[in-house]
Amino acid sequence: AQSVTQPDIHITVSEGASLELRCNYSYGATPYLFWYVQSPGQGLQLLLKYFSGDTLVQGIKGFEAEFKRSQSSFNLRKPSVHWSDAAEYFCAVGTFTGNQFYFGTGTSLTVIP
Amino acid sequence: DAMVIQNPRYQVTQFGKPVTLSCSQTLNHNVMYWYQQKSSQAPKLLFHYYDKDFNNEADTPDNFQSRRPNTSFCFLDIRSPGLGDAAMYLCATSRGTAGYEQYFGPGTRLTVT
Repeated sequence: AQSVTQPDIHITVSEGASLELRCNYSYGATPYLFWYVQSPGQGLQLLLKYFSGDTLVQGIKGFEAEFKRSQSSFNLRKPSVHWSDAAEYFCAVGTFTGNQFYFGTGTSLTVIP
Repeated sequence: DAMVIQNPRYQVTQFGKPVTLSCSQTLNHNVMYWYQQKSSQAPKLLFHYYDKDFNNEADTPDNFQSRRPNTSFCFLDIRSPGLGDAAMYLCATSRGTAGYEQYFGPGTRLTVT
């Protein structure tokens, strides 16, 4: 069965530090991969997506993610975190076969001054 | 701007009293989704419409129903809300289901008293 794993429930980083949020998926073929961000009490906003091609994807707000087929991973990165990046981050997988869409359990990011 | 709109943003209902949540979109997308999100959890898909075709998730309780009278609007009806139904309800849209990104509304926070 397809699944999405975000191993880190909660991460705390200092403002200005670099960030990496992990995402692993389980799927027989190359899935469509997404990262969403959710601020408290708000809906989800798409940060970036990967369908095919260049495995390093640039997104909004200075985020990027790298698809690594060999590791079944799609980790989200940002070189310098801002206090406004504090939010919940969800990795998601879409599959062509079966038209399924799965969210990971999310990683809560706290940014300290 | 094209968007997904949810009304109301906050809804309070009494135990067992039917409630309807509303979603509208100006994106002209074929697919509309309803998710339930409880605190610190990933969104859980309840059902979706592809045009007029209704697709219910297997574990969605019968207490939850949906209507899509036209392309732009979709409603979530909770026939007899229980305390366990208190959650954020998110509406999303996409052009298709095969890996297309989803666009989310801001959500409706439902409180059951």
